[in-house]
Amino acid sequence: DADVTQTPRNRITKTGKRIMLECSQTKGHDRMYWYRQDPGLGLRLIYYSFDVKDINKGEISDGYSVSRQAQAKFSLSLESAIPNQTALYFCATSKQGVSYNEQFFGPGTRLTVL
Amino acid sequence: AQSVTQPDIHITVSEGASLELRCNYSYGATPYLFWYVQSPGQGLQLLLKYFSGDTLVQGIKGFEAEFKRSQSSFNLRKPSVHWSDAAEYFCAVVTLTDSWGKFQFGAGTQVVVTP
Repeated sequence: DADVTQTPRNRITKTGKRIMLECSQTKGHDRMYWYRQDPGLGLRLIYYSFDVKDINKGEISDGYSVSRQAQAKFSLSLESAIPNQTALYFCATSKQGVSYNEQFFGPGTRLTVL
Repeated sequence: AQSVTQPDIHITVSEGASLELRCNYSYGATPYLFWYVQSPGQGLQLLLKYFSGDTLVQGIKGFEAEFKRSQSSFNLRKPSVHWSDAAEYFCAVVTLTDSWGKFQFGAGTQVVVTP
C-alpha cells in the first residue's frame, strides 16, 4: 500500500463549485504539505501543517483552505473553484526534526476547472 | 531572494547515451539540495540529496550528482539512460525560513528517451 494517498486522482468541476482534495498518510509523519504543479513553474507551496493545531499559509494560499483532521489526514479545499486553479496537486509529508528532512509525495490529483 | 533554476525545459536523449541535467541555485548559506523524479502518473520520488561532505552524491537508479559551490550548481548525471528514465526531473533546495526548511523547486526538466 502507498504511504501517501490522495483522493480523488482526477476531478473535473465547474467554476464556482466547492472542491475538497484529501490526503492520507501511513508514515507517521507530523508534517504535511499541499503543493500545486503547473507546467514551467515547478511545485509551489499552498499550505503546510506541522501538527494538528499548527497550520500555515504557503506562497500561494489565496483561494484555498485546509483542514488537518488528524495527524494522518490533511485536506485541501477550493471554496469556489476558478479555471486558473486547474493544476496537478500534490500532498507531501516529512518527519519532524531537522529542517531538511526529505519530503514524501502522494501520486497527485489532477484538477480541471471548466 | 533564494531561487532554483533548471535551464533546460526539455531534453531528448538516445537510449544508452549519457544524460546531464543542470541545476543552479541562488542561496546565501550552505544549501541542502535534492533531486526528485516524477514518472508519468506518479508522485515525486527522491533520487538523491546533498547535505554536506563528499560533493559527489550517489543516488538510486544509477544517478549521481555533483555539488559545485563555486558554480552554485548541483547537476544530475547518468552514464547510460534507459527508456524507463523518461520522466520529469526536479531540483530542489531547502531554504531555512522561520526555523524550518522550505523546499523550493525548480521548474523541472522533461526528459524524453528515444530508441
